[in-house]
Amino acid sequence: DGGITQSPKYLFRKEGQNVTLSCEQNLNHDAMYWYRQDPGQGLRLIYYSQIVNDFQKGDIAEGYSVSREKKESFPLTVTSAQKNPTAFYLCASSSGRGPSPLHFGNGTRLTVT
Amino acid sequence: GDSVTQMEGPVTLSEEAFLTINCTYTATGYPSLFWYVQYPGEGLQLLLKATKADDKGSNKGFEATYRKETTSFHLEKGSVQVSDSAVYFCALSEAPNTNAGKSTFGDGTTLTVKP
Repeated sequence: DGGITQSPKYLFRKEGQNVTLSCEQNLNHDAMYWYRQDPGQGLRLIYYSQIVNDFQKGDIAEGYSVSREKKESFPLTVTSAQKNPTAFYLCASSSGRGPSPLHFGNGTRLTVT
Repeated sequence: GDSVTQMEGPVTLSEEAFLTINCTYTATGYPSLFWYVQYPGEGLQLLLKATKADDKGSNKGFEATYRKETTSFHLEKGSVQVSDSAVYFCALSEAPNTNAGKSTFGDGTTLTVKP
């Protein structure tokens, strides 16, 4: 079955450590996105990529970094510069052709103490 | 810029009640409109969509009609079930050559259905 796989589901880190969240898709989608979701709030866009080897900052990119070396993969690194990293992180993809719906992974819940 | 405004929650209904969740939008172009559903601890799933004015999207008993004149896309279901309890997000997406094809989401509305 095609879909998006995020791992791990739960992640715990100490303050000051960088951490990388994995996102892999086998939908052959060109576009991939990272969102952050905080309790009771909507989704905020961190980074997005419309094509391999290219990515753009979203609305809240500070303290985060990404890479897009392969079409299937779009890992997100939460750096120690991110002031409030504890959140639910969602990866998504879309075909990128026309205004198309997003396909989401099941998310990674990151807790930093 | 684009924006989506959803009815604030939480919404609590009894089983078999009628559901309406209001959604209005502002957009620079001619967006497609979507409703997504999120169950606890999971990602969002597409519930239904509409790509142009007067289109009606429908799925699993849920419906929403794209109303350009009122810039609205209200979600309705005639008879809700306990299993419909979830968070519902209204969203819009424009063409890739407008706003890079990014989606804009509302803040979500939490629905709880009691037996």
